[in-house]
Amino acid sequence: DIVMTQSPDSLAVSLGERATINCRSSQSVLGRSNNKFYLAWYQQKPGQPPKLLISWASTRESGVPDRFSGSGSGTDFTLTISGLQAEDVAVYYCHQYHTTPWTFGRGTKVEIK
Amino acid sequence: EVQLVESGGNLVQPGGSLRLSCAASGFTFSTYEMNWLRQAPGKGLEWVSHINPSGITVYYANSVKGRFSISRDNTKNSLYLQMDSLRVEDTALYYCARAGRSTYDLWGQGTLVTVSS
Repeated sequence: DIVMTQSPDSLAVSLGERATINCRSSQSVLGRSNNKFYLAWYQQKPGQPPKLLISWASTRESGVPDRFSGSGSGTDFTLTISGLQAEDVAVYYCHQYHTTPWTFGRGTKVEIK
Repeated sequence: EVQLVESGGNLVQPGGSLRLSCAASGFTFSTYEMNWLRQAPGKGLEWVSHINPSGITVYYANSVKGRFSISRDNTKNSLYLQMDSLRVEDTALYYCARAGRSTYDLWGQGTLVTVSS
């Protein structure tokens, strides 16, 4: 199985500041046919299902604010929230959809400092 | 409205069975791959099972293989998960999710399965 290792487990950021979450896959998640990374980021707020923020490592879903960005290559990926807002308090998960079983990181809890 | 609505969760004893349902609306259900995922209380996300649009190709997590069975009825816009030989560790909120152009782009609110004596 591909293990997704997220860091940190939690972080507290001041409003308006940057939050950075890292994710490492134990194997490559690069698709040979399309040269895309099969890596997504989800946001989950309390009592709600996860919401897809970013797919293909860096493609923002429709309606997702542009303060959310994804980057990375190889086996290392990053979700950046540029200018944290109060409504961004949530748990964020990375997820690989390259190889079954599809797997998730353990999550990073983002809070306001 | 585009949505998924799960049902069927309940309290069941270890060794028991449950059948979860997921009703889809607002999109062409028969053209999408569908999945079940779960989240144990206070824990992270775990993929459980996948089915292709025709229902012919299915996949399962090792933790449920041989005990759970996924199916769909495209005439009823519905997805199902038959869960047998339930264990305490199967206790979780079960979500159905649509796989869009990339991965799970639409989720239901979930249905709670509690396995306890």
